[in-house]
Amino acid sequence: QVQLVQSGAEVKKPGSSVKVSCKVSGGTFSSDGISWVRQAPGQGLEWMCEIIPMFGTSSYAQKFQGRVTVTADESTTTAYMDLSSLTSDDTAVYYCARRDDVLGLDVWGQGTTVTVSS
Amino acid sequence: QSALTQPASVSGSPGQSITISCTGTSSGLGTHYVISWYRHHPGEAPQLLIYEYNKRPSGVSSRFSGSRSGHTASLTISGLQAEDEADYYCCSYAGSNVIFGGGTKLAVL
Repeated sequence: QVQLVQSGAEVKKPGSSVKVSCKVSGGTFSSDGISWVRQAPGQGLEWMCEIIPMFGTSSYAQKFQGRVTVTADESTTTAYMDLSSLTSDDTAVYYCARRDDVLGLDVWGQGTTVTVSS
Repeated sequence: QSALTQPASVSGSPGQSITISCTGTSSGLGTHYVISWYRHHPGEAPQLLIYEYNKRPSGVSSRFSGSRSGHTASLTISGLQAEDEADYYCCSYAGSNVIFGGGTKLAVL
């Protein structure tokens, strides 16, 4: 059974960066895609980026191009999402999710709350 | 880039059925797009309800069903229960791109 466990809540200053981790157990980490999705207060779900560890390929939503970096460590089956130049608009719950070829985003992490405040 | 439009809110009484629509704009729900549906209770992880328009993952209640007609996909929930009160999102996959609809808040009155 696939499980995704994310790192804990973060409080950051405007202009700084945050790195959220997503530890994957079970499944086939290398060949599955790991996506990152966020939900700001009062807003809907917003896809940010994805990585497929086996191929080392990543894709990014146009909105976040240049500000987000997604990486993966196959040895620890952990994916990371690094978001820089934070503003208050980045205050949100960030989720990682496994992307299955057939099912899509079928297993989700518990979410990580990132608060950006001076 | 395609956008997915959902109604902001729907409501129903326990035991009733409701349908939530998801309409693709621009290139929309073309043959290369695949739609999934998610239920999201605040503070919890989203749950996959439907994939590939009308298929249910193992463990998802048969009260949830999906369909498609042209550029519109639909999620129907039958036998409404209090636990169905949540936000519902359609989601489109086109290659590596993932697009979510704006979400629909379901109230069970």
